[in-house]
Amino acid sequence: QSVLTQSPSASGTPGQRVTISCSGSTSNIGSNFVYWYQQLPGTAPKLLIYRNNQLPSGVPDRFSGSKSGTSASLAISGLRSEDEADYYCATWDNSLSGQAFGGGTKLTVL
Amino acid sequence: EVQLVESGGGLVKPGGSLRLSCAASGFTFSDYSMSWVRQGPGKGLEWVSSINSGSSHIFYADSVKGRFTISRDNAKNSLSLEMNSLRVEDTAVYYCARGYSGSYLSEYWGQGTLVTVSS
Repeated sequence: QSVLTQSPSASGTPGQRVTISCSGSTSNIGSNFVYWYQQLPGTAPKLLIYRNNQLPSGVPDRFSGSKSGTSASLAISGLRSEDEADYYCATWDNSLSGQAFGGGTKLTVL
Repeated sequence: EVQLVESGGGLVKPGGSLRLSCAASGFTFSDYSMSWVRQGPGKGLEWVSSINSGSSHIFYADSVKGRFTISRDNAKNSLSLEMNSLRVEDTAVYYCARGYSGSYLSEYWGQGTLVTVSS
């Protein structure tokens, strides 16, 4: 049981906009920055969004992040086949004194 | 270029021990916090442990507390994870990860090393 809650799956067609949500509590998302990671099959995770809505260098601006209260979202616009991957949200949890990850959302591009 | 290279994984029997290492390069190792994150077969990411730049703050997931020990050697640009009393459920790919500036949350990840606990 993950501390952060994500829907197990999401899907969209090429060119569409999809949103992946991440729900937490006041001790984690409500108090700390949210990070998002993309994990392509068979590879290590890659940072996609840091500090709620900041894009690392090299990440296309089709990706965007937002946070409101104890929830966060990752949006992908202009969906492409290469976006098919697992996406994880993460943050620090003050109650656990540790990192908390969402269970991951498997994105399928139809 | 930031590089994190894990080593030390392998097959171990339940109750056994293993030591993972992570060799870091391409950045000033002593300036960043480091973490271990694992991923069981077909499962999601699970945080294991984090250590700050000066080793004064160390954190563990409840699932490994008392069995795993994280440490770092800033002179050698290396991170370690000593794993004792291993259980079948510790089977996973273990990733070494560098924290984003001023954070324990990870910016760069290694390629991972597989630990299999089985009799």
